[in-house]
Formats: sequence, C-alpha cells, structure tokens
Amino acid sequence: ETGVTQTPRHLVMGMTNKKSLKCEQHLGHNAMYWYKQSAKKPLELMFVYNFKEQTENNSVPSRFSPECPNSSHLFLHLHTLQPEDSALYLCASKGRGGLGTDTQYFGPGTRLTVL
Amino acid sequence: AQTVTQSQPEMSVQEAETVTLSCTYDTSESNYYLFWYKQPPSRQMILVIRQEAYKQQNATENRFSVNFQKAAKSFSLKISDSQLGDTAMYFCALGGSQGNLIFGKGTKLSVKP
Repeated sequence: ETGVTQTPRHLVMGMTNKKSLKCEQHLGHNAMYWYKQSAKKPLELMFVYNFKEQTENNSVPSRFSPECPNSSHLFLHLHTLQPEDSALYLCASKGRGGLGTDTQYFGPGTRLTVL
Repeated sequence: AQTVTQSQPEMSVQEAETVTLSCTYDTSESNYYLFWYKQPPSRQMILVIRQEAYKQQNATENRFSVNFQKAAKSFSLKISDSQLGDTAMYFCALGGSQGNLIFGKGTKLSVKP
C-alpha cells in the first residue's frame, strides 16, 4: 500500500465505549497529525507528532488520547465520547524539513458517529 | 494569530468554463507556504497546488493555477476547462514555520454539465 491509510473508515460507538482509530503512513515521513472535521467548521488540528514525540496538543479534551509508537503509525484512542464528537477524523503526515517536503498528505478519514 | 478566510461558501461553474476561488490570509511570518486542497465526496483530501511565499512566480499545475498577491495576502485558485471530476470542497491552507496548517472553511464547487 502507498500513501496514508486509516482504519476503520466508519465507526459507530456509544458514549461508554472505548475504541481506537489507526493511521499508517508509507511515505517515510517523520511528522504525523490528527485533525477533526465537523460540518460547517474548518479543519481543527488536534495533535502533532514529530519523530514520535508529541509537539502539539491543541486543547483537546482528555477523552481523546493519541499514541505514536513509531514514525509510521499513529493511533487515536477514544473513550466516553460525546455526541458532539461525531465528525470526520483525518490523519496526515509530512516529511522532514526542506521546501520539497512541507506538504501534508492526508488519509481518507474515519467517519465517527457517537450515539 | 494566523487566519485563512474563504469568502465563497459555494460556487458553480459550467463544464469547460473557468472558475476562480478566493482566499485571503493573515500571518506575521515572512516565510510560509500556501496550499489548495481538494476534498471530493469520497472525502480524501488531495493536494491541488502549493506556493512558497518567497517565490514571486505563480504556481501552475496543469489546469490549476494560482494568483498569489503577497502584499494583499491573497491566494486565489483558478481552474480552467472545468471538468465534472472537479466537483469537490476546496480548502485554502496556510503553512508556517512550525509545519502546521491553518485551513479556511472551504468552498463547495459544483461543476455542471
């Protein structure tokens, strides 16, 4: 596989469930990102990882817990979510420095519905 | 703070015609990047075109070109010879020295046969 992949593509969960979203990049990049895309809103940056280290947490509630075991994999662990957390969750990756590697490449997203 | 504004929530264009999507931004950084991403109904966010702020020449990618006006902080996207497959949400994004992107709210483009 090439590019950035995300699983699952669709997820429906109750407010008491625990689930995880997975992102994998096959581009040799060192930075990975989680975004939330809600209807009628701009994309919201949630977390940034550089070389497996979290470099940004954009005031995200603790019910969202990221994990980056290596530069190719990124997880978003979900627990006790609220209905307003229903959204499309996008993962992206970016190469290290340099003008030619400043572009973020996105996965297809996970459509999350919280009941 | 960095901001990106897309003032056209929706636009439509006839197939084979030309359409221009507007974007303005604000940043205090001297070196930054600007992007247009396309998100079709399939939801995959795809890079359309990229512009480095230090380059005066407008970027071009086949039927897609930009009009980058640095002093005015304007970055519009022109799509020539519009095709049905161009129907999508288009997002303007600003990338700064930290590598993060700030997105606009998007413009929904419909190409009509």
